[in-house]
Amino acid sequence: DQQVKQNSPSLSVQEGRISILNCDYTNSMFDYFLWYKKYPAEGPTFLISISSIKDKNEDGRFTVFLNKSAKHLSLHIVPSQPGDSAVYFCAASNGGATNKLIFGTGTLLAVQP
Amino acid sequence: DTGVSQNPRHKITKRGQNVTFRCDPISEHNRLYWYRQTLGQGPEFLTYFQNEAQLEKSRLLSDRFSAERPKGSFSTLEIQRTEQGDSAMYLCASSPNRLAQETQYFGPGTRLLVL
Repeated sequence: DQQVKQNSPSLSVQEGRISILNCDYTNSMFDYFLWYKKYPAEGPTFLISISSIKDKNEDGRFTVFLNKSAKHLSLHIVPSQPGDSAVYFCAASNGGATNKLIFGTGTLLAVQP
Repeated sequence: DTGVSQNPRHKITKRGQNVTFRCDPISEHNRLYWYRQTLGQGPEFLTYFQNEAQLEKSRLLSDRFSAERPKGSFSTLEIQRTEQGDSAMYLCASSPNRLAQETQYFGPGTRLLVL
């Protein structure tokens, strides 16, 4: 059972425009959500996170929105840059003793110059 | 560089051989995680250490897999009698263990290819 889902395998956006990456989850016990960016042959790099007590968190060009009632979160990148081209993973945690992360399958973002 | 480091970065081995990977977490990070990522999938949790104690193991971690963190610093992941299905990227992550909700920081990974 896939508890964290990223239904769009890929997304193509023009440089300077907004990129919106979506993520859905099924486990209502998740209380912390993170976005990671990954280049080929490298480990995931942390981008931004949000606690379940908030509905928005912003860091520079990156904003994450959380809709708990819909069990949905999204990552907005404005403005998109060619260097943003990578695979983006959504991850969730329900804290507890281990705080382990459950990842989605990723969305490949291509920002066209 | 004070990030998470992993060695080796790449490993090619023949089926049936044993392999060992090492992870050095960020200094003073008490929590250490191993994940595995296969093509087209997100990372999947394998096991978790708090200091030297292994507190959780995924059902993905068969009897052929063993992980240690003997002094609560670096960790090793050993795979015995490797199979072609073990081919994957093995990722290590660490976090400080100061907050209930914490960001995990990942290393560059070890890519394993079993022939």
